[in-house]
Amino acid sequence: GAGVSQSPRYKVAKRGQDVALRCDPISGHVSLFWYQQALGQGPEFLTYFQNEAQLDKSGLPSDRFFAERPEGSVSTLKIQRTQQEDSAVYLCASSSLSRGSQPQHFGDGTRLSIL
Amino acid sequence: AQKVTQAQTEISVVEKEDVTLDCVYETRDTTYYLFWYKQPPSGELVFLIRRNSFDEQNEISGRYSWNFQKSTSSFNFTITASQVVDSAVYFCALSEPSGGGADGLTFGKGTHLIIQP
Repeated sequence: GAGVSQSPRYKVAKRGQDVALRCDPISGHVSLFWYQQALGQGPEFLTYFQNEAQLDKSGLPSDRFFAERPEGSVSTLKIQRTQQEDSAVYLCASSSLSRGSQPQHFGDGTRLSIL
Repeated sequence: AQKVTQAQTEISVVEKEDVTLDCVYETRDTTYYLFWYKQPPSGELVFLIRRNSFDEQNEISGRYSWNFQKSTSSFNFTITASQVVDSAVYFCALSEPSGGGADGLTFGKGTHLIIQP
């Protein structure tokens, strides 16, 4: 499709397990963003890529969170040794130009539940 | 530090009423961008509008209108003649592309709009 695609749509994991969330941005979009949205809250910025370069990871809550975009297109957000507070919806967004002036187009998100 | 405040947690109106969603922002930058997004129950954030800090003209798109006032640091959103399909959570967001902070959007907590038939 033409939009941002995220998989899986839902993920359930036991505390302590590692998880990997995938984002396939709109073709040709330079910028890619990850956000975390807790229940009843607005999305919170995690990290930003311009092509394959991770230019900003100031929002990652701990060193258990790791993101990559090795070829400048698909991105993976990995969470190691998951904890219950990691339960949230993880949103990916892409935009056509660099930095934050352009509208970001969001995927449907991955709803992560840690038991 | 940048901040977005949406003081209205939930608004409920009857269909065809007009409704205004408030957004107040804080920024130290002179160049910034403001956005509104709609999040229906399906979860996807849908872009509605972008406004840069140098353009204070109000904008109208169909039943939607936006009022940007730098003097009060507000960027309010009005839906005229509301419809049930307008029911969703609406987020106001701020971006400071030239700032030293995060490159992403700073979102408010959202306003849950309920349109009753």
